[in-house]
Amino acid sequence: EVQLVESGGSLVQPGGSLRLSCAASGFAFRSYEMNWVRQAPGKGLEWISYISGSHSNIFYADSVKGRFTISRDNTKSSLFLQMNSLRAEDTAVYYCARVANGGNRAFDYWGQGTLVTVSS
Amino acid sequence: DIVMTQSPDSLAVSLGERATINCKSSQSVLYSSNNKNHLAWYQQKPGQPPKLLIYWASTRESGVPDRFSGSGSGTDFTLTISSLQAEDVAVYYCQQYYSILVTFGRGTKVEIK
Repeated sequence: EVQLVESGGSLVQPGGSLRLSCAASGFAFRSYEMNWVRQAPGKGLEWISYISGSHSNIFYADSVKGRFTISRDNTKSSLFLQMNSLRAEDTAVYYCARVANGGNRAFDYWGQGTLVTVSS
Repeated sequence: DIVMTQSPDSLAVSLGERATINCKSSQSVLYSSNNKNHLAWYQQKPGQPPKLLIYWASTRESGVPDRFSGSGSGTDFTLTISSLQAEDVAVYYCQQYYSILVTFGRGTKVEIK
């Protein structure tokens, strides 16, 4: 069974840093591209970052570029998001999501999410 | 970035009736190399992560009831729930994955009338 479990969310002050993790199981993690998607309270979905299976390709949304860093450890089937210079507008539930295989690039599995609250 | 515009923002439908959600992309998401529309639909119930319903604009994900169907091509797409059930109350999002910088619509909230 495919599982994605996020962790690391918490309350942090503006300007602070946080590292999110996503533990994957039930599939060949290294063979799949991964993403982080966030959802502010009561709002819609916002894609924020992508990483290829070999981490040779990485992309960010403009809203987080230069502040967030995506990475992965294929030996531990884990995805990470290092978040620096956090702002109030970064408050959201953060989901990791797997890109489907076989040419279909929709997000076929999502974790339950981890809440990040940026507030003084 | 490709902008995805969904309509309506919300709709209330009687049980057993049809619900129709529209999604328009700011540029075509039809990929010429495979002649497929890179468009997906997701369902999100309160307190849950999104769930993939439809990909390639019209292909149902495994296990998704056949009352859900997707149609359209190029820039205009539709998600139809043919006979609304109580468990279909949710917010529905379209997503383009034509670009690796994927974008989502703002969501359509479906409720029971």
